[in-house]
Amino acid sequence: DQQVKQNSPSLSVQEGRISILNCDYTNSMFDYFLWYKKYPAEGPTFLISISSIKDKNEDGRFTVFLNKSAKHLSLHIVPSQPGDSAVYFCAASGSARQLTFGSGTQLTVLP
Amino acid sequence: DAGVTQSPTHLIKTRGQHVTLRCSPISGHKSVSWYQQVLGQGPQFIFQYYEKEERGRGNFPDRFSARQFPNYSSELNVNALLLGDSALYLCASSLNPVPDTQYFGPGTRLTVL
Repeated sequence: DQQVKQNSPSLSVQEGRISILNCDYTNSMFDYFLWYKKYPAEGPTFLISISSIKDKNEDGRFTVFLNKSAKHLSLHIVPSQPGDSAVYFCAASGSARQLTFGSGTQLTVLP
Repeated sequence: DAGVTQSPTHLIKTRGQHVTLRCSPISGHKSVSWYQQVLGQGPQFIFQYYEKEERGRGNFPDRFSARQFPNYSSELNVNALLLGDSALYLCASSLNPVPDTQYFGPGTRLTVL
């Protein structure tokens, strides 16, 4: 039973445009959400996080939006750059205090 | 400043053997977590240790065990290896337990033949 779902295995975006990566979760006890980026042969790198008491968090080109009623979060990257091409993982934690990851979305930014 | 380091980088074992994977956290970090990542999936939580005590365990069989040493480094042990144990094993460290931000090492690629 996947508690964190990333339904799009891949996404291609033109350089300079917006990339929107989506994530859905089923466990209403999750209260903290994170996005990680992973390049081949490297471990995941933390990007940005959001607590359930907020609905938006920004850090430079990256913005995460949380819709608790829909159990949905999204990561916006503006503007997208070729170096952003990587696998993006959504993760969540709750009372169990462990991270549950989605299956990832491969983002390709085309020059 | 050194990040999370893991050893070895790659490992090939045969079914039934035992394996030990090692992790050194970022200096000052007291929490270490282990994850298994199978191809095409996200990392799956195995263990979390904080101050040398187990703070969480994922849905893995008893063949998987771990420990944390006084210097906060950690070992993951897997006994009686199965073909399905072939995966990338990731270690992550944080100052405090989750939800503190976790910083990942590059992983150990284990292949079981």
